[in-house]
Amino acid sequence: QLQLRESGPGLVKPSETLSLSCTASGGSIGRNSYYWGWIRQSPGKGLEWIGSLYSSGSAYYNPSLKSRVTMSIDASENQFSLSLKSVTAADTSVYFCARGMVASTFDYWGQGSQVTVSS
Amino acid sequence: QSVLTQPPSASGTPGRRVTISCSGSSSNIGSNTVNWYQQLPGTAPNLIIYFNNVRPSGVSDRFSGSKSGTSASLAISGLQSGDEAVYYCSAWDDSLNVVLFGGGTELTVL
Repeated sequence: QLQLRESGPGLVKPSETLSLSCTASGGSIGRNSYYWGWIRQSPGKGLEWIGSLYSSGSAYYNPSLKSRVTMSIDASENQFSLSLKSVTAADTSVYFCARGMVASTFDYWGQGSQVTVSS
Repeated sequence: QSVLTQPPSASGTPGRRVTISCSGSSSNIGSNTVNWYQQLPGTAPNLIIYFNNVRPSGVSDRFSGSKSGTSASLAISGLQSGDEAVYYCSAWDDSLNVVLFGGGTELTVL
């Protein structure tokens, strides 16, 4: 059974870069036909898709975040990562990593990682 | 306000059937498949319906999905207290090039 776990700083200062990793266990990230995605959820609000990355490296990003987002895969570490630059308080959210059956359908999710943007 | 519109709340009594609607447009639900997620308090969303009406392995057959035109519905039969959660619909949007989520429907079992 695939398990995903997010890791990274829980506190990021405004204008700095938010960096999160998602480590997989019970399954391989590389050399398959899945997508690997990031979704966030602000306190008391709904879900916002950040992007989906195919195992080959091609990526789909939310246009509203595209200029600030980079996603990558490290198959040797069986993990994928999210980088969001120039953060503001509006980026304070719980960040989930997930596996995509296709770019838009997520069947396995991490537990979520709370990231607060504050000085 | 979400592009995919869901009622903010729904309720039903144990054993009864409840439906949750999700309204979109031709660029999302009208031309792409719909997924449904269940989010229990304090947990990550869980996929319960994908490709409009397919249940992942392990999901109860009390959950069913349907789509017609630019709207979709999630039906839950034989309501149980454990079904209390927030339910989200989701679909790709061809115009916005984004995965959309509805605003969520909080289900209460009375």
